Amino acid sequence: QKEVEQDPGPLSVPEGAIVSLNCTYSNSAFQYFMWYRQYSRKGPELLMYTYSSGNKEDGRFTAQVDKSSKYISLFIRDSQPSDSATYLCAMSPQTGANNLFFGTGTRLTVIP
Amino acid sequence: EAQVTQNPRYLITVTGKKLTVTCSQNMNHEYMSWYRQDPGLGLRQIYYSMNVEVTDKGDVPEGYKVSRKEKRNFPLILESPSPNQTSLYFCASSLRRPGRGASYEQYFGPGTRLTVT
Repeated sequence: QKEVEQDPGPLSVPEGAIVSLNCTYSNSAFQYFMWYRQYSRKGPELLMYTYSSGNKEDGRFTAQVDKSSKYISLFIRDSQPSDSATYLCAMSPQTGANNLFFGTGTRLTVIP
Repeated sequence: EAQVTQNPRYLITVTGKKLTVTCSQNMNHEYMSWYRQDPGLGLRQIYYSMNVEVTDKGDVPEGYKVSRKEKRNFPLILESPSPNQTSLYFCASSLRRPGRGASYEQYFGPGTRLTVT
């Protein structure tokens, strides 16, 4: 079983739709949770970062963490064609980690 | 401009011919890392370095070597490439390693697409 599971998609939505992207994980030691966005032919870039459970909002993006269910989500409101990219979740334990554990990524296309 | 650079961006080579992919960052970051990205497998760490002359294996180190002689540079060396090393490679750097403070932002390079025939 992979430590982090993510539906690869692809996911196609019309412009303006609300998008929900999700990851599940198995390691209860994970405390830090991140979402990276990767445009085609580019390296990943950090989009959102949260610590432990709860919600974090940044503009059209909201990250949610439910540690009891080992489930994290990224919501995108009023999606735009420029949001078309692959979204990677990543997570790490609080201490002793030398690595981030990445999901495989969900490919999103927002259709104008 | 803060950035991580990798060279070359694209490389086609033959089995057994030694190659080096360079990585350089201009942010004075301590932590640097190499990943490979494969369809269905996501990003997997190959090697990482917590500072100059301090390197260690990640999840998939077989067939790779690294060195960290200067803080800014972290080259990836394939002594005898094989077709199963055909992949997209990313170098990344961050201020500190994961688990030490809130500096989790890893800055990724643009990637190197390697094909070994």
